[in-house]
Amino acid sequence: GAVVSQHPSRVICKSGTSVKIECRSLDFQATTMFWYRQFPKKSLMLMATSNEGSKATYEQGVEKDKFLINHASLTLSTLTVTSAHPEDSSFYICSAVTSALTDTQYFGPGTRLTVL
Amino acid sequence: KQEVTQIPAALSVPEGENLVLNCSFTDSAIYNLQWFRQDPGKGLTSLLLIQSSQREQTSGRLNASLDKSSGRSTLYIAASQPGDSATYLCAVKSVTSGTYKYIFGTGTRLKVLA
Repeated sequence: GAVVSQHPSRVICKSGTSVKIECRSLDFQATTMFWYRQFPKKSLMLMATSNEGSKATYEQGVEKDKFLINHASLTLSTLTVTSAHPEDSSFYICSAVTSALTDTQYFGPGTRLTVL
Repeated sequence: KQEVTQIPAALSVPEGENLVLNCSFTDSAIYNLQWFRQDPGKGLTSLLLIQSSQREQTSGRLNASLDKSSGRSTLYIAASQPGDSATYLCAVKSVTSGTYKYIFGTGTRLKVLA
């Protein structure tokens, strides 16, 4: 089956530093990847939609300059949290799809970010 | 704006019970609806995907139905087991301003007692 990986699985950083999270589709080409954020005991909130070779589409309220998304290839998207602060601490999950309309979305295992 | 709600928010049942989880959405113009399972601190596992033209999907002890016109879906779990304990999320795929996206429900935390 389709596998999506995320790296790192956990990261702890100091306030003010930048953190990069990678999302890879291991055995398929992902035309679109999605980035979500999840607070404890809450559902997933879509942050942005990332299409290969084009700029990401951010959801309302998500700062594009703070959460930089790059989708340079059909198998890799990265999310960089710039100048991280404690309120950015969260569980970040990516997903990937192979078709714009009908395919199942496959999720990565998530990245736990803790900003001290 | 599409909103997805799940009821109940939490559920605790003895092993062996059949149970129903509910998902409702406000905009019936969806492409599909997907049910997921999430274990604590983990990513999501897809359980069932129902296309907008379908009424139900089955996989093992799981059955999901979709009534698009009324904006509802149910996930039926037969003969529940302790291993079914997890958070169950539904998500609808719809288009907003020309961009398709997945909107997640609030989740149902299920605990099956041995």
